[in-house]
Amino acid sequence: DIQMTQSPSTLSASVGDRVTITCRASQSISTWLAWYQQKPGKAPKVLIYDASSLKSGVSSRFSGSGSGTEFTLTISSLQPDDFATYYCQHYDSYSGTFGQGTKLEIK
Amino acid sequence: QVQLVESGGGVVQPGRSLRLSCAASGFTFSTYGMHWVRQAPGKGLEWVAVVSYDGGNKYYADSVKGRFTISRDNSKNTLYLQMNSLRAEDTAVYYCAKDKGDEYYYDSSGFYYFDYWGQGTLVTVSS
Repeated sequence: DIQMTQSPSTLSASVGDRVTITCRASQSISTWLAWYQQKPGKAPKVLIYDASSLKSGVSSRFSGSGSGTEFTLTISSLQPDDFATYYCQHYDSYSGTFGQGTKLEIK
Repeated sequence: QVQLVESGGGVVQPGRSLRLSCAASGFTFSTYGMHWVRQAPGKGLEWVAVVSYDGGNKYYADSVKGRFTISRDNSKNTLYLQMNSLRAEDTAVYYCAKDKGDEYYYDSSGFYYFDYWGQGTLVTVSS
């Protein structure tokens, strides 16, 4: 089974900062990767799919890149609403494996 | 608008069974794959199971294989998760989620990302 590993587990940053979260796959997954944002007590919301495609309605401050085994989610200028937990997810014909999550905290 | 409403959660003793339901509306249920995802208290997301649009293909996480069964009734627009031999580690909020890919996408490429989620239902396994 393919494993997804995110880093860091926790990230402290300030409003206006540019931040990057990394997700690594245990084997090549092409660009079959999505990024989700989850706020406490709420269901996750998709931000990016196919590694770099921005979901309609999502702020352009979010961007994704990568292919194969290494992927990044970048938030260009943090806003107060962006402090949340972020998950990467690999999807294929058999499953939808998530990374362990990255909690983005206010510094 | 798309709505997914889970039900059936509650407190159950270890070793017992529980069945979750997810009522779908606002889209053509019979043409999309559906997933269950869970989140233990204070923990991350764990994909649990998926069923293809027609119910013909089902896949499970190793942690639930042989104990949980996913199914769907396309005539009732409802997704199910039958959970048997429950353990304390199955305690979690269970979400149903709609796959973005329709039947044509699935037949060519498999499953896709999750574009809609329910609000979740809490399952607590405790004596």
